[in-house]
Order: sequence, then structure tokens, then C-alpha cells
Amino acid sequence: EPEVTQTPSHQVTQMGQEVILRCVPISNHLYFYWYRQILGQKVEFLVSFYNNEISEKSEIFDDQFSVERPDGSNFTLKIRSTKLEDSAMYFCASRGSGLEQYFGPGTRLTVT
Amino acid sequence: AQSVSQHNHHVILSEAASLELGCNYSYGGTVNLFWYVQYPGQHLQLLLKYFSGDPLVKGIKGFEAEFIKSKFSFNLRKPSVQWSDTAEYFCAVTKGSSNTGKLIFGQGTTLQVKP
Repeated sequence: EPEVTQTPSHQVTQMGQEVILRCVPISNHLYFYWYRQILGQKVEFLVSFYNNEISEKSEIFDDQFSVERPDGSNFTLKIRSTKLEDSAMYFCASRGSGLEQYFGPGTRLTVT
Repeated sequence: AQSVSQHNHHVILSEAASLELGCNYSYGGTVNLFWYVQYPGQHLQLLLKYFSGDPLVKGIKGFEAEFIKSKFSFNLRKPSVQWSDTAEYFCAVTKGSSNTGKLIFGQGTTLQVKP
């Protein structure tokens, strides 16, 4: 069964550094998402991406964040200058023509 | 703002006990409703979904949920839990009118089933 994959599984970075989190959505899916979950809190929507552009973003998704689909398979989330409060689990999801989203295993980002 | 509430943060049951996890949402329009499960060390998996039609929906592993529009609720049930049901359970909603389909999650319920 096709799955969403994410790399790395765990990323440790210093405050102020740039990080890129990578996702490979399910191959025939058209809609892509990033969510995050800070420890002990809800899973929060960050951004959705369709037809090579952002279709919706939350207020969390400020100028420090960007997304890209550099080729036909990868979907990346970049944080330009990480802050301590960016420490969280980041989930990528994708969906096809249906409404259900399929999630990757997540990347745990630790900012020190 | 649209929100989703899960009433129970942590539930402990013995095997064979019945389960009901509450979920309420605050949005007056058409909604699509989901329950996701996250087993220890694994990713979020879809348990079941409701878009329209019969308000009682059945999902994988013997789970079911009932959409009660008048109560803005979508409670998850299982008649007899197993130890392997130990996991975190998330209720989530999308607006029916949403083009993007972004999910709004509840805070999650941790279910611990004792053998």
C-alpha cells in the first residue's frame, strides 16, 4: 500500500539555523499539507499546497516558513531561522481526489 | 473560530470493556468528520470518516462512530477493546465548503487498554 514518507525522522538544530524537512507524498496525490504538533498540544495545520502553489496557510506559517515541490515527488518545508518554539513534530500529508488525508510518520524537530 | 473538542484526555480500560470517546465541533455549516489513530511509534492512520448519508459509520478494526448533527458530535465507539487498541485517538473536521480540506484536530485522547 502506498505511503507518505518523511525524512529525517529526527532533526536537531541550533536556534537561528535553517532546516529543510522532506516529504514524499503518495504518487498520484494532488493536495499536500504540513501540520505540526508541539509536545502536549493539538496537531495544528500549517499550510496546504495544490497546483504548485500555496492554497491556504495558517497564521503560524509566517515569513520564516516556505514550502516547495522541487520535482515531481518531493514536498519540502523550510524554516529559515529556527526558534526554540519551532520544536515540534512535523507531519506531512497528502490526498488525492477523495477527502481523506494520508499522513507520514513525522519529523521530530528539536531546536536547541 | 472553528474548533474541535475531545472530552477525555486519558482513558484506561480493561480488555473487553466498551469504549466511547467523545468529540464535539463548533461549526454550523456542512462538515466532514474523521477519526485518526496513532499507535505507539507509528504515524496517524485513518480509522473512519463521515461525509454524508448514514450517520453511523463503520471503520477499521471494529470501530464505529455516530454523527449527531443536532449535538455537533461525532463520538467514536467500540464494543469490546483489545490491548492492541492502546493508542492515541484524534477527532478531526474539515469544513464542507473548504477548497483546501485543511483538517482541524481535537487535542487527542490517549487510550490505554490493560490486558
